[in-house]
Amino acid sequence: EDQVTQSPEALRLQEGESSSLNCSYTVSGLRGLFWYRQDPGKGPEFLFTLYSAGEEKEKERLKATLTKKESFLHITAPKPEDSATYLCAVNAGGTSYGKLTFGQGTILTVHP
Amino acid sequence: DGGITQSPKYLFRKEGQNVTLSCEQNLNHDAMYWYRQDPGQGLRLIYYSQIVNDFQKGDIAEGYSVSREKKESFPLTVTSAQKNPTAFYLCASSKQGPINSNQPQHFGDGTRLSIL
Repeated sequence: EDQVTQSPEALRLQEGESSSLNCSYTVSGLRGLFWYRQDPGKGPEFLFTLYSAGEEKEKERLKATLTKKESFLHITAPKPEDSATYLCAVNAGGTSYGKLTFGQGTILTVHP
Repeated sequence: DGGITQSPKYLFRKEGQNVTLSCEQNLNHDAMYWYRQDPGQGLRLIYYSQIVNDFQKGDIAEGYSVSREKKESFPLTVTSAQKNPTAFYLCASSKQGPINSNQPQHFGDGTRLSIL
């Protein structure tokens, strides 16, 4: 069974304090890993897709990386507006029809 | 701007009542999805549809029904058989069906369903 685990469950940072969020996955065959940002009461907003180990994607203060077992979302010099829940999801290959399996999310709070 | 519109934003259901959640997209996407989000849990797939007039059950389809009569629309009915319907419901779409593509899914802003 495909599994996605995100850690930590919650992370509190001071503005400017860089850190990383982790997404560990166990799937039959990874076709893609997706990162989303979700604000309270809103739907997830797509950030990145990573397809193969070693791949990296960047957007403003966010950088996503991928290994064969996990992905990291690095946040450099975060600002209060980066506060949100960050979701990781995998699209598995093999016999699966390619559905997304989501992690529980990491709640990020950035204090001024 | 193209996007996914879910309505209503808040919905209340009485015991024994069926309610329907609306999802409309103008992104010209083929595939559409319904998810349920509960606190502390990942999104769980209820139903998905790759083309008009075709849809498949996801992981938690019991107590729910859908239709796909138009490419743009994928309404979800929460029936009285769903005993724990209180949740945040999210609709999503993607460019191609999940079997043929690895395109990201894009989400609407959800409907929060509560029991009266």
